[in-house]
This record gives sequence, C-alpha cells and structure tokens, in this order.
Amino acid sequence: RKEVEQDPGPFNVPEGATVAFNCTYSNSASQSFFWYRQDCRKEPKLLMSVYSSGNEDGRFTAQLNRASQYISLLIRDSKLSDSATYLCVVQISGSARQLTFGSGTQLTVLP
Amino acid sequence: GAGVSQSPSNKVTEKGKDVELRCDPISGHTALYWYRQSLGQGLEFLIYFQGNSAPDKSGLPSDRFSAERTGGSVSTLTIQRTQQEDSAVYLCASSATSGRVSDTQYFGPGTRLTVL
Repeated sequence: RKEVEQDPGPFNVPEGATVAFNCTYSNSASQSFFWYRQDCRKEPKLLMSVYSSGNEDGRFTAQLNRASQYISLLIRDSKLSDSATYLCVVQISGSARQLTFGSGTQLTVLP
Repeated sequence: GAGVSQSPSNKVTEKGKDVELRCDPISGHTALYWYRQSLGQGLEFLIYFQGNSAPDKSGLPSDRFSAERTGGSVSTLTIQRTQQEDSAVYLCASSATSGRVSDTQYFGPGTRLTVL
C-alpha cells in the first residue's frame, strides 16, 4: 500500500465548476500536511498547508481529518489557470524532514 | 531573489556511464533534499542534508547513488554506472529549517536524466 494515495484522475471540469480532490495517508505519525501544485514539466510549488481546523485561501479550501487519515482540497470557481497536477504531501514527525508525495491528481479546466 | 537552481537541465547519457547533477540551494537555507520523479510517478525522497549533520541517505535506491554537499551549500548527486531505470527528473529542494517541522521546501526546476 502506498503511504499517500490519491485518485490520479484526470478530472476535466468546465470553467467555474467546483472540484474536490481527496487523499489518504497510511502513517499515523504524519505530522504536517500540504497540497503542492505541479504544472507540466515544472517543479512542484507549495499551494497551501493543511491544518486540523481547516483553512481557506481564496478559492481554495483544505481540510484534514486525522481520525480518518484523510485530506481534501476544494477548488471553487475553477479557472483555466488551475489546470495542473495537485500533489498531496505528508511530512512524518522525527528528525528527517523529507516529504512523502502522492502520485498526484491531474486537473484540466476546460473553457 | 534567486531560487533553487539545478544543472544541467537535461542530461542524456549511455547506460554504464557516470553522471553528476548539481544543485544550488537558496542562499542561507541549511536544509537540502534530493528527490526523483519517474514518469507518471510521485516524487521519491533520496537524501537529506541538514547543516553539518550526517546526511539521511535512507532513500537512496542503491549504492550506485551518492551525494555530497560542500561547504553547507552546493550539492552534487552522483549516479555511477547508470541504468535505464535511473531515467527520471531529479529534483532538489531547500528549506530554511528554523527547527519547525513544517518549513516550506522550495524546489529547483530539476534535471531530466535520460539513460539510453
């Protein structure tokens, strides 16, 4: 079983749609959670951190459920520029700081 | 300001050859990471450097892979006797690491390695 699992998609949605991505993680020692965005043939970039209380950044809302080991990302009023691969990322507590990445969910927003 | 830079951006090599990939982290960042991303796969952790501490090499897939970080700044990832399965994008990241687990990692553009 992968440490971080995501639906690979692809998700093809029209402009203005609301789309939700889900992610599950297997290691209960996971301490920090993030969503990264990766454009085609580009490096990953941090989209937002995910907090237990849930957090919102403009059209993006992230939620964490520690009991279910589940993370979500909601994008409202999607734009063409939102087309990318969204990576669910987990950081396990301890001395090492490496990130564990899901394989990503591909989103295409259509005009 | 300058971000993480990597060179070369693309490298094509023949099976069995050695390659060196370079990473220049963001100035002042004490933590440096190497990851690789194979086609259609998620990023896979390779190695982590933090200041002058011994590196965490737990992600290196074989003894053909090694990395060093000179002077706490530039890092070189070396792959000896390359194999076709080594073909991937090798990404470097750095973070400030003030001691908090959640310090943001900033990625370089990667080196796309193709082993023929």
